[in-house]
Amino acid sequence: EDKVVQSPLSLVVHEGDTVTLNCSYEVTNFRSLLWYKQEKKAPTFLFMLTSSGIEKKSGRLSSILDKKELFSILNITATQTGDSAIYLCAVEALTGNQFYFGTGTSLTVIP
Amino acid sequence: GAVVSQHPSWVICKSGTSVKIECRSLDFQATTMFWYRQFPKQSLMLMATSNEGSKATYEQGVEKDKFLINHASLTLSTLTVTSAHPEDSSFYICSARAGSTGNTIYFGEGSWLTVV
Repeated sequence: EDKVVQSPLSLVVHEGDTVTLNCSYEVTNFRSLLWYKQEKKAPTFLFMLTSSGIEKKSGRLSSILDKKELFSILNITATQTGDSAIYLCAVEALTGNQFYFGTGTSLTVIP
Repeated sequence: GAVVSQHPSWVICKSGTSVKIECRSLDFQATTMFWYRQFPKQSLMLMATSNEGSKATYEQGVEKDKFLINHASLTLSTLTVTSAHPEDSSFYICSARAGSTGNTIYFGEGSWLTVV
């Protein structure tokens, strides 16, 4: 059964800390892995990863994919209270329009 | 980035009535749109996938006669919750993809449905 597992489920850190969110997957015919940030409403797109070992970076956020070990990490450095959100990982399969979402990691950044 | 608009943002309806939620891609043509449901503190649950001009593909356990999806144009998909019940109250989100598979999907703002 195809699945995406995120860990930890929730995380509380202080401003300035660095956090690493994990996403592991078992999806047949992997195409891509996507990271989203969800605050009060709909998720906003962060990264799309298709190749192993190539880091994608946007400001304080970065992500990398390991297709051999079937996981990805999302790093956030120098966290701010505005980073508080649920971070969702999704994996797309090659077959049709199949997306599998993880349960998300709830991040809370305390001032 | 690409913009997907959902309307209404929130709606309250009486039990037994039907309610329609619209999902529009504002600056691109969406060949494929997805509808999700999200319960509090849970991840997104895919309800159905729709391709423009064809019938939607529903996920297992989702009643197609209750959740009617119409993808009539490349920029608009609608979800109609028919004969709504309180248990249908939820956050519904659409997403859309431009062009072929492999392109990023973008989400609408979501619609809160409360059935009283």
